[in-house]
Amino acid sequence: DGGITQSPKYLFRKEGQNVTLSCEQNLNHDAMYWYRQDPGQGLRLIYYSQIVNDFQKGDIAEGYSVSREKKESFPLTVTSAQKNPTAFYLCASSMTSYVEQYFGPGTRLTVT
Amino acid sequence: AQSVTQLDSQVPVFEEAPVELRCNYSSSVSVYLFWYVQYPNQGLQLLLKYLSGSTLVKGINGFEAEFNKSQTSFHLRKPSVHISDTAEYFCAVTIPQGTQKLVFGQGTRLTINP
Repeated sequence: DGGITQSPKYLFRKEGQNVTLSCEQNLNHDAMYWYRQDPGQGLRLIYYSQIVNDFQKGDIAEGYSVSREKKESFPLTVTSAQKNPTAFYLCASSMTSYVEQYFGPGTRLTVT
Repeated sequence: AQSVTQLDSQVPVFEEAPVELRCNYSSSVSVYLFWYVQYPNQGLQLLLKYLSGSTLVKGINGFEAEFNKSQTSFHLRKPSVHISDTAEYFCAVTIPQGTQKLVFGQGTRLTINP
């Protein structure tokens, strides 16, 4: 089955630790995206990548980093510089020639 | 820049009643519009999209939406809801020839009561 996988589904970390969230897609999509979801605020774009080895900051990139070494993978690192990292993180992908994005199941990160 | 406003944060309705979830957008250029649904602790699933052509768009699960350019709206409707429609619904906008970045509204939580 084609789709987007995110792992793990739940993640717990201590404050001050970096943590990396995984996102893999086998849809052969060119573009990939990371969103953060907080209650009552909808989804906000963190980073996006339209091709391998290239990515751009979204609206709330501070405290996050990404890499795009392979077409199918777009991991997100939440660094200790992110002041409020506890949130639900969603990865998405799309074809360059199409506009709709397909979403993964999400990772809920809790930092204490 | 584009923006989206979902006018209701919560909408409670009774089973088999009709429902309308309201979405207004702001943009100085033409747009593409989307409705997504999110069930608890899951990702988003595309319900329907408007790119061009007919302003009445039909989607999955019996939902439809109407694009109204003069009122800059894209309201989502269903004539008869089911318990299984309980979820959060997001309206989103992007522009053609852009980077395909989606701008989302704040979401509307639809609760179906028996």
